[in-house]
Amino acid sequence: DTAVSQTPKYLVTQMGNDKSIKCEQNLGHDTMYWYKQDSKKFLKIMFSYNNKELIINETVPNRFSPKSPDKAHLNLHINSLELGDSAVYFCASSLGQGETGELFFGEGSRLTVL
Amino acid sequence: GDSVTQMEGPVTLSEEAFLTINCTYTATGYPSLFWYVQYPGEGLQLLLKATKADDKGSNKGFEATYRKETTSFHLEKGSVQVSDSAVYFCALRATGGFKTIFGAGTRLFVKA
Repeated sequence: DTAVSQTPKYLVTQMGNDKSIKCEQNLGHDTMYWYKQDSKKFLKIMFSYNNKELIINETVPNRFSPKSPDKAHLNLHINSLELGDSAVYFCASSLGQGETGELFFGEGSRLTVL
Repeated sequence: GDSVTQMEGPVTLSEEAFLTINCTYTATGYPSLFWYVQYPGEGLQLLLKATKADDKGSNKGFEATYRKETTSFHLEKGSVQVSDSAVYFCALRATGGFKTIFGAGTRLFVKA
């Protein structure tokens, strides 16, 4: 039973389109994240939600909009896709603020914008 | 702000060689320190962690010691295997914080 699952695993789309990636965790964690990994493997945090409340919102274009309908789900919607959005997007979760903060990652969603 | 610096790769070793991947950090206070590993086509998974100075984290033959005096958390393994080929990330998380900051990753290739 997968702990953190994200769909789809692969997206190939044209510039200007809108796409969404969904993430679900069954670990009972309070906090969920979106990370972007570029072609050089560099990982950058984008957003984080704790108990459905947005707590981290890094310098990300407002074409990216996260949404957390409940503690177990965190989705990412991207409008007007650009070539530079091509990357692997990872969802992760962790226990709350008082814990040591080990992250559990999904397998990633590889987005290719043509 | 907080940051993590790790040695650039790729690192190429023969099977059974000794591995060291250097990691240093900058942070206020006493962060928790982590090593994550990413195998090809997969997400990251925790390899080991240490939450206070002089703690040693260990797992699968890998180990790292939290050195506050040198702000370092170097990863070591005495004898690498081909199956250890992966990208290794050093990371820190401030106590009580939500943000985990990652180093740039070090790719390891192990040849048979």
